[in-house]
Amino acid sequence: DSGVTQTPKHLITATGQRVTLRCSPRSGDLSVYWYQQSLDQGLQFLIQYYNGEERAKGNILERFSAQQFPDLHSELNLSSLELGDSALYFCASSPRGGGGAKNIQYFGAGTRLSVL
Amino acid sequence: DQQVKQNSPSLSVQEGRISILNCDYTNSMFDYFLWYKKYPAEGPTFLISISSIKDKNEDGRFTVFLNKSAKHLSLHIVPSQPGDSAVYFCAASVSGAQKLVFGQGTRLTINP
Repeated sequence: DSGVTQTPKHLITATGQRVTLRCSPRSGDLSVYWYQQSLDQGLQFLIQYYNGEERAKGNILERFSAQQFPDLHSELNLSSLELGDSALYFCASSPRGGGGAKNIQYFGAGTRLSVL
Repeated sequence: DQQVKQNSPSLSVQEGRISILNCDYTNSMFDYFLWYKKYPAEGPTFLISISSIKDKNEDGRFTVFLNKSAKHLSLHIVPSQPGDSAVYFCAASVSGAQKLVFGQGTRLTINP
C-alpha cells in the first residue's frame, strides 16, 4: 500500500459528460501529480500541484482541469468527454516539489475511466 | 516524440536466471532515472533509482546500470523469482523538474 488513495476505482460514463477523480496523497506529502495511461502506453504527465498551487503542466487538454485543496487532496476534472479519454488515470504524491532522490513519487492504484 | 523508450514489450525468463530490462533515452538533460514495477490493478511501485553522477546502483536483487554516453540504462534482477512477474517502467527526469517521463513498459514473465 503506497498510502495514496484514489477514488473511484472505476468510472463508466458517456461522451459529453463531466467526471471528477479524487486523490488523497500520502500523509505529509505536499505535491500531487496526475498521469494518464492509455492502452499499452507509458504514463503521460498531466499536471502537478504543490501545497495548493499549480507547479508544472504537461500535455493536459483544455477540457481537463485540476486543483489541490487546503487539506492537500486533489481533484482532476474531465469535461466534454470523448471516447479517446478512456484511460487509466494515476495520481502520485511526493514530499516536496522538485525531482531527484529525495522526492520519489508514490502512486495510487488509479481510476479506470471508460467513456462509451 | 518518445524521449524514453523501452523497445521490448515483453520478456520471458526462467526462475533463478537473470532478467535484464533495457531502456533508452534521447534527452541529454535527464539526470535522474527510476524503475517502477506494476502489477495488474495496482499503481506503479517505486523499485530503484540512479543519479547521472553514478553508473551503478544496487539494492538487493536489483541493480540499475547507467551508460550516459549511450543514453542507455538497464535493470538487472538476479535471481529472478515468480513474484517479479509484472510490467516494468523506466522513467527519467531533469534535476529540479517535477514531471517523470515514462517508457512504454516491458512485461516480464518469470517461468517456473
